Amino acid sequence: GEDVEQSLFLSVREGDSSVINCTYTDSSSTYLYWYKQEPGAGLQLLTYIFSNMDMKQDQRLTVLLNKKDKHLSLRIADTQTGDSAIYFCAEILFSSGSARQLTFGSGTQLTVLP
Amino acid sequence: DTEVTQTPKHLVMGMTNKKSLKCEQHMGHRAMYWYKQKAKKPPELMFVYSYEKLSINESVPSRFSPECPNSSLLNLHLHALQPEDSALYLCASSQEYSNYNEQFFGPGTRLTVL
Repeated sequence: GEDVEQSLFLSVREGDSSVINCTYTDSSSTYLYWYKQEPGAGLQLLTYIFSNMDMKQDQRLTVLLNKKDKHLSLRIADTQTGDSAIYFCAEILFSSGSARQLTFGSGTQLTVLP
Repeated sequence: DTEVTQTPKHLVMGMTNKKSLKCEQHMGHRAMYWYKQKAKKPPELMFVYSYEKLSINESVPSRFSPECPNSSLLNLHLHALQPEDSALYLCASSQEYSNYNEQFFGPGTRLTVL
């Protein structure tokens, strides 16, 4: 399978910006995603980017995609304590009809300090 | 209705028990997924159903038996589990031809095997 890598931990002060990085290996991925998981909960899709885009902005979230380096990042502006969670990047490994097989990164634990 | 529901929320079982996890969605999605997630790790794909037929089985031990009785329901039957099977079991669904191929996740069932 393909490997999707992330740094494991990130701590920031409330009000600062957070940048979570991800490297992926499947250059044929059409969509790349960022999911958020709060303690004891399922995964929530935060945002996604199509592979022909370089950047996507959605309120406090900015996604940057560098296809040449296979690098994806998620920037959270004005980080709040409610943003403390694990963030997973993911790419589509397989798609057939309705089925989509996602490959997830290892996850980055974001801790927001007051 | 735009959610995936899972029951039970928590389950404790012995190694000789038989139990079932249930997942339901009423979004008309034709693909449904089971994932296993250990603490602080990314979800690992177990099974994929597409149009009520098993399309992907990621070499999961036979003590896990999936069932898709109709397009809205997905079950995971458990028998003779081991303590290492303790994990969060996540169900997800996705629709065909969506704009960005999103998978919608349920909140999960926290399984403890004694």
